[in-house]
This record gives sequence, C-alpha cells and structure tokens, in this order.
Amino acid sequence: GEDVEQSLFLSVREGDSSVINCTYTDSSSTYLYWYKQEPGAGLQLLTYIFSNMDMKQDQRLTVLLNKKDKHLSLRIADTQTGDSAIYFCAESMGGSYIPTFGRGTSLIVHP
Amino acid sequence: EADIYQTPRYLVIGTGKKITLECSQTMGHDKMYWYQQDPGMELHLIHYSYGVNSTEKGDLSSESTVSRIRTEHFPLTLESARPSHTSQYLCASTRTGEAFFGQGTRLTVV
Repeated sequence: GEDVEQSLFLSVREGDSSVINCTYTDSSSTYLYWYKQEPGAGLQLLTYIFSNMDMKQDQRLTVLLNKKDKHLSLRIADTQTGDSAIYFCAESMGGSYIPTFGRGTSLIVHP
Repeated sequence: EADIYQTPRYLVIGTGKKITLECSQTMGHDKMYWYQQDPGMELHLIHYSYGVNSTEKGDLSSESTVSRIRTEHFPLTLESARPSHTSQYLCASTRTGEAFFGQGTRLTVV
C-alpha cells in the first residue's frame, strides 16, 4: 500500500471548518507536513509538526497528530474561497529528510 | 518566504532536443530534491542530493540526470526529450526538515 494516504476530495461551504485527514505507515517519521498547491503552481509549505508533538496551531490552521494511529489532520477554520486548492500531506525521517507525499486532497469551497 | 527559484516556468520543446531545467536556492540548504508531478497527481521523487558532489536516483525511474557542483545550484538535464517526459518538475531544498519548493517548470515535449 501507499506510504501516505489521503482522501481525494473535500467540499465545504464558505465560513465552515475544513478537516483534511491523512494516514501514514512509517512509525519512524520525524516530520509531518501540510503543503498547499494552487493550479499551475509549486507547493507552499503551510505548516509542519514534529513527531513528538500532538498539536500545532497557526492562525486558522490546526494540525493534530495521533502517533499511535499514525493519523494526521489539518483543520482550516473559517474556510474561504481562496483556500480552494490541493492539500498534500507528507512525511520525512531525520537524516535524509526526503518528503514522501500523499496523492493530495482537492478542497473545494463553495459559497 | 522561500528563496528557491526554478527556470524556465514553462517550456515547449521538440522531440530529441537536450534541455536543462534550472533550480537555485539562496538559503544555504545542503539537501535538494527533484520531483515529477503529472497534473492532479502525486509527486514522485526522481533525484536527490545531500550536498556538493552528491547525487542519488529517487523512487521513480527517470531518464534525466542531475549535477551538484555548487551548494545553491541543482540542475536537471534531459539529453533527448520525448513526449513521455511531458510533466511538471518541482525542485525543493531543506537543511533540517522544512522542505521548500520552487514554482515548478511545466515541460511539454511535442
């Protein structure tokens, strides 16, 4: 199976919260990331969390890590139309720090 | 803000041509990576480097080659482009974990 798995699509109403979920298989992952990709663009690092943390909050973004279940989530509060994009979950290990990506979740925000 | 740059942003080239995609970063990062991404699809690692004179092939087999003569520069070369090379190529760099990406080069081989 894939190392990092995400659901492919999420549709939310503007102003609601969005929760994007991700599972990973490698228990030795050191870093877990969330990237945003808008059409035709590169990847923008939104936030990351160390594997020894449970939660990280940064303005409208909250990352939750359940290391036991190898489950990572990204919550976007007060979702706006400008948040419509593909969100990639990634993990890496110390040493090589090579990010391994999921297939991305396409977030669609409608009025 | 990430200081990593890729040129060109878009390239349309004929079959059989040799091309080099440029990637430069000014953050002093030792680790650099090249990913290939088809539209709407996941990223596949094709090359990486741990520092000057270090290059390794990634998970996805690629006919491209890379070099790392200077810390800040990690160019990718295709000796003879083919339509199957049509894709987006993304370069990234890191020192100790936070990986920053360039804007990508969208390559079309006709």
